[in-house]
Amino acid sequence: GAVVSQHPSWVICKSGTSVKIECRSLDFQATTMFWYRQFPKQSLMLMATSNEGSKATYEQGVEKDKFLINHASLTLSTLTVTSAHPEDSSFYICSGRELGPVNQPQHFGDGTRLSIL
Amino acid sequence: GEDVEQSLFLSVREGDSSVINCTYTDSSSTYLYWYKQEPGAGLQLLTYIFSNMDMKQDQRLTVLLNKKDKHLSLRIADTQTGDSAIYFCAESSPGRGSTLGRLYFGRGTQLTVWP
Repeated sequence: GAVVSQHPSWVICKSGTSVKIECRSLDFQATTMFWYRQFPKQSLMLMATSNEGSKATYEQGVEKDKFLINHASLTLSTLTVTSAHPEDSSFYICSGRELGPVNQPQHFGDGTRLSIL
Repeated sequence: GEDVEQSLFLSVREGDSSVINCTYTDSSSTYLYWYKQEPGAGLQLLTYIFSNMDMKQDQRLTVLLNKKDKHLSLRIADTQTGDSAIYFCAESSPGRGSTLGRLYFGRGTQLTVWP
């Protein structure tokens, strides 16, 4: 159980385009979803936290107008990288967490590799 | 949070036990987690332990927690080549509001298992 599906798994696009990444919880209701960015051989860097029906909370240094997050339902959150540039190339991973006791773990998608040419 | 430290590399022979260590600084940590990441993939939850426990065992995995020293370890018995991956230690603190359930990760330990 607790499967998170993330699509697409790999995107290559030209500089200046916008890219949307979807994160779906398949068998649970993810009241909170998290978006991370991971650089090669580095840990995960939290970008933002979103609660269903609310505006996302962004970490310091993350541009909210650049990385648009929508969490309109309990099973779907999207991250849109607007006007992407080569420096936005990275591995993006989402996770979902059920409402419940504080020990509810996060369940992760398989990540999206974004390459901007 | 917030500081979670791990050694970066560990190499073992197939069949041996692996022990991956982690230290953290937040004494209010409530839960500590171990995640596994294979190349090009997301993170797979392996196990987690509540801060009032000393040990948790799940098949080949044994987690030991020394809360006084803020030290967490993951032991993998009879390590197999398929266990080769990056292992992340993470901790969560009570937090509130939007930070509830936030995880703080170490940099990950690359485990290499030699046949």
